[in-house]
Amino acid sequence: DVVMTQSPLSLPVTLGQPASISCRSSQSLVHSDGNTYLNWFQQRPGQSPRRLIYKISNRDSGVPDRFSGSGSGTDFTLKISRVEAEDVGVYYCMQTTHWPPAFGQGTKVEIK
Amino acid sequence: EVQLVESGGGLVQPGGSLRLSCAASGFTFGNYWMSWVRQAPGKGLEWVANIKQDGSEKYYVDSVKGRFTISRDNAKNSLYLQMNSLRAEDTAVYYCARGVGCDYWGQGTLVTVSS
Repeated sequence: DVVMTQSPLSLPVTLGQPASISCRSSQSLVHSDGNTYLNWFQQRPGQSPRRLIYKISNRDSGVPDRFSGSGSGTDFTLKISRVEAEDVGVYYCMQTTHWPPAFGQGTKVEIK
Repeated sequence: EVQLVESGGGLVQPGGSLRLSCAASGFTFGNYWMSWVRQAPGKGLEWVANIKQDGSEKYYVDSVKGRFTISRDNAKNSLYLQMNSLRAEDTAVYYCARGVGCDYWGQGTLVTVSS
């Protein structure tokens, strides 16, 4: 099974400053169809998860453009260009290229 | 507007059974794979099961194989998770999500397995 490893697990950030979360997979996430099925989710305190990014870098509808995704193969990054108070929560990467689908452990973003 | 509403959670003794339901609206349910994902208290997300649009393919995480059954009724726009032989480690909030990629999620339903 593919193992997804996120770092850091805790990320204190200053409002208005950038933040970056890394996600690494134990094997390449390039599918035989040429796509890379790597998604990012945000879970605010007390809420259900919400998908932010799909296939590495595509923002879902309504997601602010301060969120961006990048990477390839086994190394992926979620960046927040300027952290806002509403960005507090836990962020998860997830791969669906290989069965079974797998999530990273989560990265908790908090305001310093 | 896409909506997913889970129900059926509750307190159950070890070895017991529960059936979770997820009512979908705002999209053509029969056109999508559907997923169940769970989250133990204070823990991360864990994919549990998927089902294809017509129910012909079903996949499970190893820890629930042989105990949980995912199913759907496209005429009723509903997804189900039959959970048997429940264990303490199955205690979690269970979410239904649209698609393999989980682009929309419900609010979740809490399952507590305890004596």
